Amino acid sequence: RKEVEQDPGPFNVPEGATVAFNCTYSNSASQSFFWYRQDCRKEPKLLMSVYSSGNEDGRFTAQLNRASQYISLLIRDSKLSDSATYLCVVNGAGGSYIPTFGRGTSLIVHP
Amino acid sequence: ETGVTQTPRHLVMGMTNKKSLKCEQHLGHNAMYWYKQSAKKPLELMFVYNFKEQTENNSVPSRFSPECPNSSHLFLHLHTLQPEDSALYLCASSPPGGAGGHDTQYFGPGTRLTVL
Repeated sequence: RKEVEQDPGPFNVPEGATVAFNCTYSNSASQSFFWYRQDCRKEPKLLMSVYSSGNEDGRFTAQLNRASQYISLLIRDSKLSDSATYLCVVNGAGGSYIPTFGRGTSLIVHP
Repeated sequence: ETGVTQTPRHLVMGMTNKKSLKCEQHLGHNAMYWYKQSAKKPLELMFVYNFKEQTENNSVPSRFSPECPNSSHLFLHLHTLQPEDSALYLCASSPPGGAGGHDTQYFGPGTRLTVL
């Protein structure tokens, strides 16, 4: 089993749709969790950290389920500008405290 | 602007050339990283430095040689590369995290390397 797994997609959704991504991790001792966004041919940028209690930032909601070892990202009212690859990052996934990146989930929002 | 800069942004080199990539962070972070991102592949961690000391070498071939003279600067020296080494090379930095771990990473814009 890979340390951090994501469905690569692509997820093709119309503007205004709600879309959700999941990311599973293998190490139950993992400490911290993040979602990054990467636009084509650009560097990854932090979208949001994921807290145990869940957190929301505008149209974006992130949740952590430690029992089932996954994190999720929900995007409401999708915009064209949300089209990007969303990377799940887990610290401690490989048994160390080095961040481990998932392969990313591609989102395409169309008019 | 994330406070992490990389130069050059684009590099084309032959297999016999020697070149260096440079990364500089202005965020006061203690940890710095080199990643490789090939087309349609996930980010691959190459090296990690924490307070100038190398803490991770992810089985990277010796034709890639990192150097970290201080916590703000990181270099990747390249020699006798292969065409399959063509990729986007990303530098990142992070502050100390809880329990001695690594916290949020901030990435530079990357160097797009082409090996002919």
